[in-house]
Amino acid sequence: EVVLTQSPGTLSLSPGERATLSCRAGQSVDSRSLSWYQQKPGQAPRLLIYGASNRATGIPDRFSGSGSGTHFTLTISRLEPDDFAIYYCKQYGGSPRYTFGQGTKVEMK
Amino acid sequence: EVHLVESGGGLVQPGGSLRLSCKASGFTFSTYAMSWVRQAPGKGLEWVSGISGSGYSTYDADSLKGRFTISRDNSKNTLFLQMNSLRAEDTALYYCAKTETYFDSTTGLWKSAYFDYWGQGTLVTVSS
Repeated sequence: EVVLTQSPGTLSLSPGERATLSCRAGQSVDSRSLSWYQQKPGQAPRLLIYGASNRATGIPDRFSGSGSGTHFTLTISRLEPDDFAIYYCKQYGGSPRYTFGQGTKVEMK
Repeated sequence: EVHLVESGGGLVQPGGSLRLSCKASGFTFSTYAMSWVRQAPGKGLEWVSGISGSGYSTYDADSLKGRFTISRDNSKNTLFLQMNSLRAEDTALYYCAKTETYFDSTTGLWKSAYFDYWGQGTLVTVSS
């Protein structure tokens, strides 16, 4: 099973700042299965990025995804108040199972 | 508009069974794979099970050890999760999610690309 490790665990930033979230896999993964989700308290997760770098429908362009192989990044160029949430990456873990990272909480400083 | 509504959660004793349902609307249900994802209180997301659009192929997390069974009724646009031999550690909010897939020609497998729509979840509590 491929383990996904997200870092940092918590990111304390102010509105307008740039957020860089990391997702590392224990072995190389297929970018087509790498996606990012945002979850706010009491809400279901929402798809942000799929295929490592494609924004989902309706997602603002301040969100971007990049990476390949074992290291992927979600970047929020300028944080808005609505962006403070927990972010998860997800990928195909093999044979056949899917794994999520443990999440990165973006909190207001 | 895509809409997913889960139901069937509740309080059940250890060793008991429960059947979750997910009613879908707003898309051609039979042409899409579907998945169940759960979230224990205060914890992260865990993929539970997936099923192809036809219902012919199903996939489960190894950790479940065959206790859960996913199925679907395409005539009723409904996804199910039959959960048996429930344990305290199965306590979680269970989400159904519409699943986009792609064909990996290297392995010959259909794989989940992403979960693009989620329901609001149904809470399962396993406790005596």
